Amino acid sequence: LAKTTQPISMDSYEGQEVNITCSHNNIATNDYITWYQQFPSQGPRFIIQGYKTKVTNEVASLFIPADRKSSTLSLPRVSLSDTAVYYCLVALPGYQKVTFGTGTKLQVIP
Amino acid sequence: EPEVTQTPSHQVTQMGQEVILRCVPISNHLYFYWYRQILGQKVEFLVSFYNNEISEKSEIFDDQFSVERPDGSNFTLKIRSTKLEDSAMYFCASNRQEGGYNEQFFGPGTRLTVL
Repeated sequence: LAKTTQPISMDSYEGQEVNITCSHNNIATNDYITWYQQFPSQGPRFIIQGYKTKVTNEVASLFIPADRKSSTLSLPRVSLSDTAVYYCLVALPGYQKVTFGTGTKLQVIP
Repeated sequence: EPEVTQTPSHQVTQMGQEVILRCVPISNHLYFYWYRQILGQKVEFLVSFYNNEISEKSEIFDDQFSVERPDGSNFTLKIRSTKLEDSAMYFCASNRQEGGYNEQFFGPGTRLTVL
């Protein structure tokens, strides 16, 4: 299981785009990169998953450079309700022993 | 939209007592999981369950813990003799694990308080 490193915390003003970068230097060839969001006292919620290049859904975009040693979660125009902890996970599809790191605590400021 | 449900939302118990935490995974999911999160700490994997047996477990999941799928819908976590350090949020999750897609759907959690 590849080790991941993310900033512990970030602040952003409402309406701004937020980019959270995760380093995963030891990513294996078949690993996927997955991001989850967790609000206080709730379970984590899947945001987006990707293998390479760019993935976009209605919530976020995920940018993965060619070497795949890092990835960036991009949240467009954040609102106060985006205040949460964001986790980057790297694992084989089907890997069950998912390990959550400390994540990045995003605080959105009015 | 289907969701994972958990009961109770909050359980208070005395040290040494047995507790059973209940989960109803999403109906067409095949893999089931329990995680715990001690207040202010990381989400920790406990166990995964597939085809009526444990497929992976962590070091935390010792002999005091057991899981069961007693019928076609419920998935339970039993803690045989609770300790103070078992106080945490316990999350159940489920997924289908189709192809390269590995999204796990988490329930709202049960807050366990051991006194």
